[in-house]
Amino acid sequence: EDQVTQSPEALRLQEGESSSLNCSYTVSGLRGLFWYRQDPGKGPEFLFTLYSAGEEKEKERLKATLTKKESFLHITAPKPEDSATYLCAVRTVNTDKLIFGTGTRLQVFP
Amino acid sequence: DSGVTQTPKHLITATGQRVTLRCSPRSGDLSVYWYQQSLDQGLQFLIQYYNGEERAKGNILERFSAQQFPDLHSELNLSSLELGDSALYFCASSVGAGLSYEQYFGPGTRLTVT
Repeated sequence: EDQVTQSPEALRLQEGESSSLNCSYTVSGLRGLFWYRQDPGKGPEFLFTLYSAGEEKEKERLKATLTKKESFLHITAPKPEDSATYLCAVRTVNTDKLIFGTGTRLQVFP
Repeated sequence: DSGVTQTPKHLITATGQRVTLRCSPRSGDLSVYWYQQSLDQGLQFLIQYYNGEERAKGNILERFSAQQFPDLHSELNLSSLELGDSALYFCASSVGAGLSYEQYFGPGTRLTVT
């Protein structure tokens, strides 16, 4: 069964303290891995799509990387406004749907 | 603002009742997706419509149904409601039918069943 696991469930950082969020997946065939940001009470906001191992994408303080088993979302020198839940999702060869992980809730304190 | 609108924002109803959630996609988008987000299960795909036709189905209960109208807005109907149906319901839209197209999410409808 296709599965997506995110860790940690929650992460508290001091402003400027860099860290990484993990998304590991077990799927029959990956056709894309997606990262979203979700603020409380709002819908997910698209961040990145990665398609193949070794691929990297960057946006401001965020950098997403992909290997054959997992993806990392690196946050460099985070600010309080980066506080949100970060979701990853996979698209596989077997399905027409996105399979989401349960997310990492990030809190950045000044 | 993603450009996707959902109404109502909040809905409180009793068990056994029926409700309709409404979604208007971004201008130009032909695909509409419905998702359910609960605390214990995360974001779960329910169903997708593309240009008025059902395209993909996920974990949607038989008590739930959806449709997409000629003006491309979509409605999700939930009937015989149970306490466990309390959740956030999101609609997303994309320009194309496939999952390679970026999905834009609406602000959601929070459903509380009492």
